Amino acid sequence: GAGVSQTPSNKVTEKGKYVELRCDPISGHTALYWYRQSLGQGPEFLIYFQGTGAADDSGLPNDRFFAVRPEGSVSTLKIQRTERGDSAVYLCASSPAGLAGGRKTQYFGPGTRLLVL
Amino acid sequence: AQSVSQHNHHVILSEAASLELGCNYSYGGTVNLFWYVQYPGQHLQLLLKYFSGDPLVKGIKGFEAEFIKSKFSFNLRKPSVQWSDTAEYFCAGGSGNTGKLIFGQGTTLQVKP
Repeated sequence: GAGVSQTPSNKVTEKGKYVELRCDPISGHTALYWYRQSLGQGPEFLIYFQGTGAADDSGLPNDRFFAVRPEGSVSTLKIQRTERGDSAVYLCASSPAGLAGGRKTQYFGPGTRLLVL
Repeated sequence: AQSVSQHNHHVILSEAASLELGCNYSYGGTVNLFWYVQYPGQHLQLLLKYFSGDPLVKGIKGFEAEFIKSKFSFNLRKPSVQWSDTAEYFCAGGSGNTGKLIFGQGTTLQVKP
């Protein structure tokens, strides 16, 4: 079946611009996660959705970052007033219902590579 | 603060050599541990996971990992690596019910044919 998809695969923008990154989770998966991976580092947690609500947004670095999942499936990560330090690969993952959150296998998408000039 | 650390950042092995990649975690409470792999040009995928029970867990492609609570470790092993194991390996921990994963820095494994 189809895996997690993310669009665009690459995004180049200028400092100060607004960007939106989209994630389509695996059909039926209730949990959705966003991570950010900088060069040479492991993924860093940003936000976790259970259904439509953000169950944990403790990883969002500041108020320029916002994410939504209005219908409990597709999610959009929004970054306002981008800065050069926002350049990274943004990963999305989804998990099925069932196991307690901490035990779920997360299925990752290919990521969106964001470059802020 | 919760953290996961991987000791080896870059490992180079010849085919058929044995592999052990170190992973240590530092947080209390319920511990759920994972190893993910990212092959060149592909996305992250799960190798194996540990929640409870037998501390020796077996994953795909002949990998295994051992949870040693007294050492806060969850090292990844494979008795004989292949060229196709060339990839980046990430250890991760998840606590409680949040679903949030904390990843280590990653280890790049290069297997020479």
